[in-house]
Amino acid sequence: GENVEQHPSTLSVQEGDSAVIKCTYSDSASNYFPWYKQELGKGPQLIIDIRSNVGEKKDQRIAVTLNKTAKHFSLHITETQPEDSAVYFCAASLVDDKIIFGKGTRLHILP
Amino acid sequence: NAGVMQNPRHLVRRRGQEARLRCSPMKGHSHVYWYRQLPEEGLKFMVYLQKENIIDESGMPKERFSAEFPKEGPSILRIQQVVRGDSAAYFCASSSGQGAEQYFGPGTRLTVT
Repeated sequence: GENVEQHPSTLSVQEGDSAVIKCTYSDSASNYFPWYKQELGKGPQLIIDIRSNVGEKKDQRIAVTLNKTAKHFSLHITETQPEDSAVYFCAASLVDDKIIFGKGTRLHILP
Repeated sequence: NAGVMQNPRHLVRRRGQEARLRCSPMKGHSHVYWYRQLPEEGLKFMVYLQKENIIDESGMPKERFSAEFPKEGPSILRIQQVVRGDSAAYFCASSSGQGAEQYFGPGTRLTVT
């Protein structure tokens, strides 16, 4: 079955700098790649997603890139702010909608 | 427009008791998914349901766990004879259809003592 690897597990960046989180997936049939942000005590919140027919997508300070050949996808957050501190999960989905999550990256924004 | 609702938010059960977790999907959504999250880990898929049908239960433990999504009312995840290893956060997500985005509820944190 599908397997999603995510790294780093922890990331600390200075406020205002950029943060990059990288993921790989194993099943070339996966065609949907959402990213979720989870704050302490809350459910995951969908922040951006990309489908396999697109290589890059951007929404304000957040961008996601997808390399289908290498089975890599990445989340880029620019001009980081304190409220970006959270755990971020990448995920991959097959057409039957079962979402497979990575283990998460704990992002700390340093003042 | 209310989001996905789950209750209770916190549930404490003694070993051997039953736990019932409820999920009301977003308005207009007829697809429900249950995931389990252990401390410091990602979410693991458990089961995917549509109204009155289980579509995929490949992530459900074979014993003690069951799920339903009746024609009327919320989806229920039921855990019988709970053990300490069942302690986790259980999240429900809903979507409007196959291939659509999944939106998550706030979760139910189950503690088995």
